[in-house]
Amino acid sequence: GQNIDQPTEMTATEGAIVQINCTYQTSGFNGLFWYQQHAGEAPTFLSYNVLDGLEEKGRFSSFLSRSKGYSYLLLKELQMKDSASYLCALPGDTPLVFGKGTRLSVIA
Amino acid sequence: DVKVTQSSRYLVKRTGEKVFLECVQDMDHENMFWYRQDPGLGLRLIYFSYDVKMKEKGDIPEGYSVSREKKERFSLILESASTNQTSMYLCASSLYPSSTGELFFGEGSRLTVL
Repeated sequence: GQNIDQPTEMTATEGAIVQINCTYQTSGFNGLFWYQQHAGEAPTFLSYNVLDGLEEKGRFSSFLSRSKGYSYLLLKELQMKDSASYLCALPGDTPLVFGKGTRLSVIA
Repeated sequence: DVKVTQSSRYLVKRTGEKVFLECVQDMDHENMFWYRQDPGLGLRLIYFSYDVKMKEKGDIPEGYSVSREKKERFSLILESASTNQTSMYLCASSLYPSSTGELFFGEGSRLTVL
């Protein structure tokens, strides 16, 4: 099975950089997903990492270390609209298993 | 753009009622999923389907059933609603199986059982 751990809440300042961590245990690794979910809305796909290293996509980057069972999502130049929950997810024997999510609040 | 449409955004039902939550996707995806989302518990998988007429139990199937008569439609059924089924229900679909497939979610159906 899978076990996923993320911080529950984080607060950061507009214009700053924030790193949201995800640690996991899994019996078989098939990649790691990050989703963003604004309050009252559906989750939307942000990134998928299957190889170690950093993948950059505009202001958002995602990092993976398979040997450490660790990933992070890096958000640069934070904007108020980045206030949302960020969900780490792993595929496994059954469809995606999600972490409980990290609620990020961006303050002025 | 992929569109996953859930029939009702908000529902209020009484304990013991039978509840149908409908989900339709327009991208010819093979795979469809039902999750529920609760504060502090995150998204939990109820049922999924990789093909028409096929269904598989997820992590929390008790009290639920599903129907997939057509490829584009996946229905979640609460045979006898209970208060502990008050939750946000999210339907999703994907082109590929879960190991590599991005999920596309509907807007969600917020169910309150009184």
